[in-house]
Amino acid sequence: QVQLQESGPGLVKPSETLSLTCTVSGGSISDYSWSWIRQPPGKGLEWIGYIYYSGRSQYNPSLKSRVTISLVASKNQFSLKLTSMTAADTAVYYCATSVVGALDYWGQGALVTVSS
Amino acid sequence: QSVLTQAPSASGTPGQRVAISCSGSSSNIGSNSVNWYQQLPGTAPKLLIYSNNQRPSGVPDRFSGSKSGTSASLAISGLQSEDEADYFCAAWDDSLNAHYLFGTGTKVTVL
Repeated sequence: QVQLQESGPGLVKPSETLSLTCTVSGGSISDYSWSWIRQPPGKGLEWIGYIYYSGRSQYNPSLKSRVTISLVASKNQFSLKLTSMTAADTAVYYCATSVVGALDYWGQGALVTVSS
Repeated sequence: QSVLTQAPSASGTPGQRVAISCSGSSSNIGSNSVNWYQQLPGTAPKLLIYSNNQRPSGVPDRFSGSKSGTSASLAISGLQSEDEADYFCAAWDDSLNAHYLFGTGTKVTVL
């Protein structure tokens, strides 16, 4: 069974860039697609984007100008970079993978707070 | 931007049947399959239903999904206390910039 674990800073300053990594175990990064989703405290889910092993990626139009999702195949990881962070980007960030065309497996989530 | 609309809350007593609806449009539910996710308090979402009505291994058969036109529905029969959670529908949206869209979420309370 595929397992995912997010890692990265819990606190980011306004205007800085968020960098998160998702480590995959029990499966290969060369299979499936790999996504990032976020959830502001007390609110709903927002899909950020995904990437395939081929490198093809797709992003939420509302975040597209600030987002980059990349693969680190040698480490069986993928990453998220989100630039120009503001308080509105405070959220729990989840990584997930799609096996059956939906988001089958999720990480436990990483809370990221934007504050000076 | 497209929206998948769900009622904010639903409730029932143990053993009852509860239905949650998800309303979209021709660019999302009308042309793509619907998935449902369950989020227990303080935990990550879990896939509950995929491709409109398919259950992943391990999901009890009291959870069922359906789709008609631009709407979808999740039914929980024989409601149990452990079903108290947030439920989100989701579907791909094929508008100008295709993206995966989550519903607004429904909080199910077991009375």
